[in-house]
Amino acid sequence: GAVVSQHPSRVICKSGTSVKIECRSLDFQATTMFWYRQFPKQSLMLMATSNEGSKATYEQGVEKDKFLINHASLTLSTLTVTSAHPEDSSFYICSARRPPYEQYFGPGTRLTVT
Amino acid sequence: GENVEQHPSTLSVQEGDSAVIKCTYSDSASNYFPWYKQELGKGPQLIIDIRSNVGEKKDQRIAVTLNKTAKHFSLHITETQPEDSAVYFCAASIGGQFYFGTGTSLTVIP
Repeated sequence: GAVVSQHPSRVICKSGTSVKIECRSLDFQATTMFWYRQFPKQSLMLMATSNEGSKATYEQGVEKDKFLINHASLTLSTLTVTSAHPEDSSFYICSARRPPYEQYFGPGTRLTVT
Repeated sequence: GENVEQHPSTLSVQEGDSAVIKCTYSDSASNYFPWYKQELGKGPQLIIDIRSNVGEKKDQRIAVTLNKTAKHFSLHITETQPEDSAVYFCAASIGGQFYFGTGTSLTVIP
């Protein structure tokens, strides 16, 4: 299988600060990457689809000004949680699509906002 | 849009027995069906997949079957082992977009 890395794996920040999460496809080029949020014992909730070189497409209900996504290269996408609040605490997972079909996930980032 | 349903939500089996997880989808245009295994605190891992032009695929102890007419696909795990305990997600894909099932928590009892 292909490898997708995510950094950091765990982050604790204070309310009001911003946090950046990086997602990298290590052994393939990904024109499309996805960002998910997962609550305990629940399925994956798609937040946005990120295409290299263009603006991300956000799912309904996801605040684009709060969750900034940048897909600057074929191997890197970043998610910045701006002005984080305790309700933003969650498990964030990225994935990268290896054409034509497969999608590979990163290991996830546990965000805790105090 | 596509709707994927997954059953059961929890499944317990004795070690060595088989486990079967089933998913249904609504859009006949879906053409790719992956299965993911997620261990606690980790990201989902692709374990097997099938494309719409194939009816069955097997990889050692795991297999997936697809019935396009009935719009359902299943994951079969034989000779289960304790390390198979995890949450399993099915998905259906159309045009590069993925739609996930709600997950099955599998527990293999030693």
